[in-house]
Amino acid sequence: AQKVTQAQTEISVVEKEDVTLDCVYETRDTTYYLFWYKQPPSGELVFLIRRNSFDEQNEISGRYSWNFQKSTSSFNFTITASQVVDSAVYFCALSADNYGQNFVFGPGTRLSVLP
Amino acid sequence: GAGVSQSPRYKVAKRGQDVALRCDPISGHVSLFWYQQALGQGPEFLTYFQNEAQLDKSGLPSDRFFAERPEGSVSTLKIQRTQQEDSAVYLCASSLSAYNEQFFGPGTRLTVL
Repeated sequence: AQKVTQAQTEISVVEKEDVTLDCVYETRDTTYYLFWYKQPPSGELVFLIRRNSFDEQNEISGRYSWNFQKSTSSFNFTITASQVVDSAVYFCALSADNYGQNFVFGPGTRLSVLP
Repeated sequence: GAGVSQSPRYKVAKRGQDVALRCDPISGHVSLFWYQQALGQGPEFLTYFQNEAQLDKSGLPSDRFFAERPEGSVSTLKIQRTQQEDSAVYLCASSLSAYNEQFFGPGTRLTVL
């Protein structure tokens, strides 16, 4: 069975603070993909990143960075110098190499960035 | 169109009515997914198509839910004899293949009275 846990239900930070959103996953598959999506108040899910299980390099994209650690089954997401526009619900998702492809989403973390 | 589109955006149904939700994926995307998102929750997988073939329908909550994609492009999710617990946002997503990132539509918010 696959499972994604996002232990932080809600986080509030003040603008310009750094914030890390945690994601822990479970899968028995050796080949899998991890994703982060953003769901702003408008409601439409926006793709942020995809990472496959064989690539543990951390990635940085502007103010966003991701830390993938297979040893702890974690794929954490950090926003540096947060902005009000970062306020949204963030979902971590897992897709494993099995027949019948489907995504398993975590419950989401609601991030509020206050001015 | 540039992205995934869904219609209607909002649907109010009386309990017991049948509803049909439409999804237009991005042109050329082989994979199409349907999800159900309850308020305050993450999307829950319903079903997956590769072209016209429905390869996984393990997430459909009951036999009242039916999805099709007859020509491998547009898909319809049908819910028969709607119940109050069916109230949710229904999301459609498409991707180039099953392991690529999915692009989501705006969703259809279904309210069953």
